[in-house]
Amino acid sequence: EAQVTQNPRYLITVTGKKLTVTCSQNMNHEYMSWYRQDPGLGLRQIYYSMNVEVTDKGDVPEGYKVSRKEKRNFPLILESPSPNQTSLYFCASSSGLAGGGEQYFGPGTRLTVT
Amino acid sequence: KQEVTQIPAALSVPEGENLVLNCSFTDSAIYNLQWFRQDPGKGLTSLLLIQSSQREQTSGRLNASLDKSSGRSTLYIAASQPGDSATYLCAVYGSARQLTFGSGTQLTVLP
Repeated sequence: EAQVTQNPRYLITVTGKKLTVTCSQNMNHEYMSWYRQDPGLGLRQIYYSMNVEVTDKGDVPEGYKVSRKEKRNFPLILESPSPNQTSLYFCASSSGLAGGGEQYFGPGTRLTVT
Repeated sequence: KQEVTQIPAALSVPEGENLVLNCSFTDSAIYNLQWFRQDPGKGLTSLLLIQSSQREQTSGRLNASLDKSSGRSTLYIAASQPGDSATYLCAVYGSARQLTFGSGTQLTVLP
């Protein structure tokens, strides 16, 4: 089954404790991205990647890191989480030229930073 | 910077009605437009993708149209059912290599 998976699905952590949210897709997509969703602010892009070893900032990259060492994986790293990073996070992947195909989203990771 | 607006913000209809959700965007230089459905606290389910060269797409009871020059799209839902209750999100993909989302239309279909 074609899908985007994320782990963990739920995470409660404390300020400053480094964490990684994994994202994996099995569709051989070149384009992958991360979004966060907040009430009243909607969905906003954090980072995206056009291919292996190619990443770029989205609208809200502060406090986040990403890496793209393999085509299928695109982990999101919070090196020193803060309470304002409490949010619902989504990973997405897409086919097509420059990511212009249909976007497939993972199930989401609900992160709470206390 | 691309901005996407969805009207109405919320809609409540009796079961069986046909309905139209509206989406407008400010920059017509888009690659495609995608409609999603999101249930409370859940992920995004892709409903329809319209490429910039297309005018409409259909899937079952759903029909989406795109008028790129005027920056508008509509999602038509025929014969609505209570199971259609969800938030519907419109998103455009453009040269910034990101989906820009509208704030959504929260649909409630009453039995």
